[in-house]
Parts: sequence; C-alpha cells; structure tokens
Amino acid sequence: DQQVKQNSPSLSVQEGRISILNCDYTNSMFDYFLWYKKYPAEGPTFLISISSIKDKNEDGRFTVFLNKSAKHLSLHIVPSQPGDSAVYFCAASVYGGATNKLIFGTGTLLAVQP
Amino acid sequence: DSGVTQTPKHLITATGQRVTLRCSPRSGDLSVYWYQQSLDQGLQFLIQYYNGEERAKGNILERFSAQQFPDLHSELNLSSLELGDSALYFCASSERTGQAFFGQGTRLTVV
Repeated sequence: DQQVKQNSPSLSVQEGRISILNCDYTNSMFDYFLWYKKYPAEGPTFLISISSIKDKNEDGRFTVFLNKSAKHLSLHIVPSQPGDSAVYFCAASVYGGATNKLIFGTGTLLAVQP
Repeated sequence: DSGVTQTPKHLITATGQRVTLRCSPRSGDLSVYWYQQSLDQGLQFLIQYYNGEERAKGNILERFSAQQFPDLHSELNLSSLELGDSALYFCASSERTGQAFFGQGTRLTVV
C-alpha cells in the first residue's frame, strides 16, 4: 500500500519557468510533510517542509502548498535553474508520534533545460 | 555534508553471503533509520531505532536485521543475500521529530 504517491515519474521544464511537482497521500494521520532532493550517487538532502497547520511555506525559490482536504501537496520552484535538475522525493510523517519515520513517494525526476 | 556517515560506500558480494553496513548518525541525534532504494524505486523504509531501541519496522525481510549501539551508531546486517537485494541502502538520523538527515548511502551489488 503506497501511502505517499508521486504520479509523475519525470518532468521537463525550461530554465526560468516554474516547476510544479505533485504529491498525494492517503493516510490522514500524516501531519508533517517534506520535500527532499537527490542527485545521483548522493543521499537525499532536505529541501523544505510544511506542517499540517499551514497551507503554504516558502523558502527562497521554493514554495510548498498543502491541501489537506484533497490530501495533496505540491512543490513550486520559481524560477527553475539547471542546477535544480535532480530527483525530488515527497515524504510524510506523523510529527511527534511514537515514531516519526518518513514515508517516501517514488520520486519525480526534474530536468531543467537551459 | 549531512553529518551522517555510512561505510562502506560500495560493496560487492556473492549470493548467499552476509554483509554489515554501518552508520554513524549526526552528533546528538537519537533516531536512526534505514532505507532501501532499489533500481527506479523510491525509498523504502526498513527499520528505525531510537536511543538503542527498535521503534518502528517497515518492509524489512527476516534475513535482515539491525541494531543501534550505546554510542548510537547503527549496523544493518543482511544475510543469505540474493540478487534482488542489490540496492542502495541509506541511513538517516534525526532528533526526536522533524527532518531526517541522510548519509551518502552504501551501494550493495550481489553477484
């Protein structure tokens, strides 16, 4: 049972345009959501997070939006840069629960074309 | 540098063998997680330890086991290896809650 889903395996955008990566979850207990970025041969690195008490969190070029009723979140990157080309993983957890293990989606490969 | 150290970076071994992967968490982090990433797959949660105790288990095979030692480093033991166990194995650590920091991973190849 895939509790966190990223239905787009890949996305290609032009440099300077907006990249929108989507993520859906099924477990209504999740209340903390994160985006990680992963380059080949490296471990995932934390990008941005959002708590379920918010519907938007912004950090520079990166903004995460959360729609709790739809159990959907998205990551917006504006403007996109070639260095943003990587695999992006969405993750969810129960913050402060007995275990705050992160459940990951399958990832979206973003290619930003110069 | 995430502060999480995994060794070895690469491991090639034969089917039926046993290997041990090692992880040193960030200083002060009590939680250690192990994840498996197979080809074109996402990160599959295997197991979590918190301050030496098993806290959560995911889809970890019975042939796999882990432990966290008093100095908080962790080891993942994989035995009776099969070709399908070839994957990237990531360790991550965190404080009680919040984001997890990942190591560079160990690439295991079973031949």
